[in-house]
Amino acid sequence: AQSVTQLGSHVSVSEGALVLLRCNYSSSVPPYLFWYVQYPNQGLQLLLKYTTGATLVKGINGFEAEFKKSETSFHLTKPSAHMSDAAEYFCAVKVIQGAQKLVFGQGTRLTINP
Amino acid sequence: DAEITQSPRHKITETGRQVTLACHQTWNHNNMFWYRQDLGHGLRLIHYSYGVQDTNKGEVSDGYSVSRSNTEDLPLTLESAASSQTSVYFCASSVASGGGTDTQYFGPGTRLTVL
Repeated sequence: AQSVTQLGSHVSVSEGALVLLRCNYSSSVPPYLFWYVQYPNQGLQLLLKYTTGATLVKGINGFEAEFKKSETSFHLTKPSAHMSDAAEYFCAVKVIQGAQKLVFGQGTRLTINP
Repeated sequence: DAEITQSPRHKITETGRQVTLACHQTWNHNNMFWYRQDLGHGLRLIHYSYGVQDTNKGEVSDGYSVSRSNTEDLPLTLESAASSQTSVYFCASSVASGGGTDTQYFGPGTRLTVL
């Protein structure tokens, strides 16, 4: 069965600092990987996704993530944090074969310090 | 613009009552999903549907049911609400591309409190 582990339920960085949110997945078949962001009292919004091809994926708001098969990781980064990046971030995996279901990690709450 | 809406946005009910949460999408997506969000668990899949008259159980389906009578709507029913079902509920939809690359689009959520 597929699973996702997000390391750190809460990450705090200073404005302008590097943002690194960690995601490791478990899948016996090639996965599709997603990062979603949830702002307070809102639904989830897609940041970026990896399906096939280039392993470095660029998303909205300056975020990017790199698929590393050997490390079963899909970490999310942003070079310089902005106050507006404060939100909860979810990593998710979808198995290509079979059902079109997403399996989510537990989420990481990102706090930006001024 | 096409969208996905949920109603009500907030609901307080009593233990044992039947509750129905509405989800409506105007994208004409075949796939629709219901998740619940709880602290420390992320989002967990309750039920999903790949088209009209199709429904499937997710990982936390006990105590919930859905029906799909048209493309636009997937109502979620709690047959007899329990305090353990206090949660935030999200509906999502996606196009049935067959290749798995489709994105799920989420509604704004319904916060349900069972007293």
